[in-house]
Amino acid sequence: QKEVEQDPGPLSVPEGAIVSLNCTYSNSAFQYFMWYRQYSRKGPELLMYTYSSGNKEDGRFTAQVDKSSKYISLFIRDSQPSDSATYLCAMSGRGGGNTGKLIFGQGTTLQVKP
Amino acid sequence: EAGVTQFPSHSVIEKGQTVTLRCDPISGHDNLYWYRRVMGKEIKFLLHFVKESKQDESGMPNNRFLAERTGGTYSTLKVQPAELEDSGVYFCASSQVGTGRRKNEQFFGPGTRLTVL
Repeated sequence: QKEVEQDPGPLSVPEGAIVSLNCTYSNSAFQYFMWYRQYSRKGPELLMYTYSSGNKEDGRFTAQVDKSSKYISLFIRDSQPSDSATYLCAMSGRGGGNTGKLIFGQGTTLQVKP
Repeated sequence: EAGVTQFPSHSVIEKGQTVTLRCDPISGHDNLYWYRRVMGKEIKFLLHFVKESKQDESGMPNNRFLAERTGGTYSTLKVQPAELEDSGVYFCASSQVGTGRRKNEQFFGPGTRLTVL
């Protein structure tokens, strides 16, 4: 079983829709939760960063972490065609053993149609 | 400020040949990571340097892979001899030394796409 599960999609939505992306994980040691956005032929770009549980909002993006359910989400409001990309969740551990090594989900491909 | 750069962007080699990938991290970033994504799979960790020291190489697939970071600046990843299953995109990332977000906010390069025929 993978440590991080993410539905690869693809997910297609009309412009202006609210997009919900999510990941589940099995390792309770994860404390840092990230969402990366990757455009075709580019490297992943950090979009959202959350430590432990809770919500974080940045413009049209909201990240949620529910550690009790081992479930994280990314919401995109008023989606735009420029949001079309692959969205990757990533996590890392805590304490002295935390080297920053990221564990990634498979990524969800999102297409926002004009 | 320049981001993480990787060279080459694409490499096509035959099975049994040697390939060396290079990564230049963001200036001042002591943490340097190598990751790999093979077709249809998630991005997977290969190894982690702090300056010139290997902190964690638990993700290196086998001894055909050799990573170095002489002088704590750029890093190279050599595959010798290459096998078909080594095909994929190799990403390099760097981050600052510290705790929390400073360490975990990794900046990725564009990747090197390796094709082994």
